[in-house]
Amino acid sequence: DGGITQSPKYLFRKEGQNVTLSCEQNLNHDAMYWYRQDPGQGLRLIYYSQIVNDFQKGDIAEGYSVSREKKESFPLTVTSAQKNPTAFYLCASSLMPRNSPLHFGNGTRLTVT
Amino acid sequence: SQQGEEDPQALSIQEGENATMNCSYKTSINNLQWYRQNSGRGLVHLILIRSNEREKHSGRLRVTLDTSKKSSSLLITASRAADTASYFCATVLYSGGSNYKLTFGKGTLLTVNP
Repeated sequence: DGGITQSPKYLFRKEGQNVTLSCEQNLNHDAMYWYRQDPGQGLRLIYYSQIVNDFQKGDIAEGYSVSREKKESFPLTVTSAQKNPTAFYLCASSLMPRNSPLHFGNGTRLTVT
Repeated sequence: SQQGEEDPQALSIQEGENATMNCSYKTSINNLQWYRQNSGRGLVHLILIRSNEREKHSGRLRVTLDTSKKSSSLLITASRAADTASYFCATVLYSGGSNYKLTFGKGTLLTVNP
């Protein structure tokens, strides 16, 4: 079955530590995205990538970094510079052009204490 | 400020009733998309409606788009307990070339009581 796999489902870290969230897709989609979801808020775009080895900042990129070394993979690193990292993180992918529907993974809930 | 805003924020109905959710936006769009999110899960795409379309159907779902009023509605007919979820609209703006911006609203939490 084609889809997007995010791992782990739950992640706990101490403040000051970097943490990397995994996202893998086998849909052969060119575009991949990372969103953050907080209670009562809509989804906010962190980073997106339209092609391997290229990515662009979204609306809330500060404190995050990404890489796109393979078409299937788009890992997100939450750095210690992110002031409020506790959130639900969603990875998505789509066909190009980027007005196409998004396919989402089931998310990673990150808790930083 | 949000490009898409859903209304109401929460809606509670009985099984078998219809549920209507609305989405308003501020600027001209390329398309508008509706998604469903079950608690603790990822979003699932439901319907995409283009700016030159007025209505689309998919099973028990009906989406309308009124570009003059900059609004869209999602109607779920004959609701079921399994329809309990948050529903989000996402507006897609086009800014030239291959540049599109998709913006999500804050969602409507639908509860369908058995």
